[in-house]
Amino acid sequence: GAGVSQSPSNKVTEKGKDVELRCDPISGHTALYWYRQSLGQGLEFLIYFQGNSAPDKSGLPSDRFSAERTGGSVSTLTIQRTQQEDSAVYLCASRAGRSTDTQYFGPGTRLTVL
Amino acid sequence: QKEVEQNSGPLSVPEGAIASLNCTYSDRGSQSFFWYRQYSGKSPELIMFIYSNGDKEDGRFTAQLNKASQYVSLLIRDSQPSDSATYLCAVRYNDYKLSFGAGTTVTVRA
Repeated sequence: GAGVSQSPSNKVTEKGKDVELRCDPISGHTALYWYRQSLGQGLEFLIYFQGNSAPDKSGLPSDRFSAERTGGSVSTLTIQRTQQEDSAVYLCASRAGRSTDTQYFGPGTRLTVL
Repeated sequence: QKEVEQNSGPLSVPEGAIASLNCTYSDRGSQSFFWYRQYSGKSPELIMFIYSNGDKEDGRFTAQLNKASQYVSLLIRDSQPSDSATYLCAVRYNDYKLSFGAGTTVTVRA
């Protein structure tokens, strides 16, 4: 079956531009997570969705970051007015539901802000 | 933020040896513990999880958990060059959220 997919795989943008990153979770997975991984660092939690709602947005670094999820499926992470410190790999993961702990990760989007 | 600490490495072991990775965590109430493997440029993949004190074995991998010491480890027996990767320790401390360590990079020398 299809795994978690993310697009684009790479994004290069100029400082100050807005970017949208997309995540398509495994079909039927109700939980969706966004993480950020900077070079040589662990995974930094950004936001958690259960269905279409986001009960935990505590990891979003600033109000330039926002995310939504529609139809309990696809999620979009938007970064407005990008800064060089936003450069990182953005990973999406999905989980089947409350009865399981296992998160399945997508391949990530490598964002470079020039 | 709940803390999860790992030695960053790199940990270099000869082929066929045992690689031992350690992880400590700050939240005594944590219940679930995970080891993810991440190859360079790839996304993390789950290789082991453990919930109870003691050892859990899966093939060449053994996870060890000591909740009293807030310590979880991963042993890789008969290490192979294909085991060269970064290993991330993750701890679940509420019903949905994982906290990840920074990872230990393992290099297996042929």
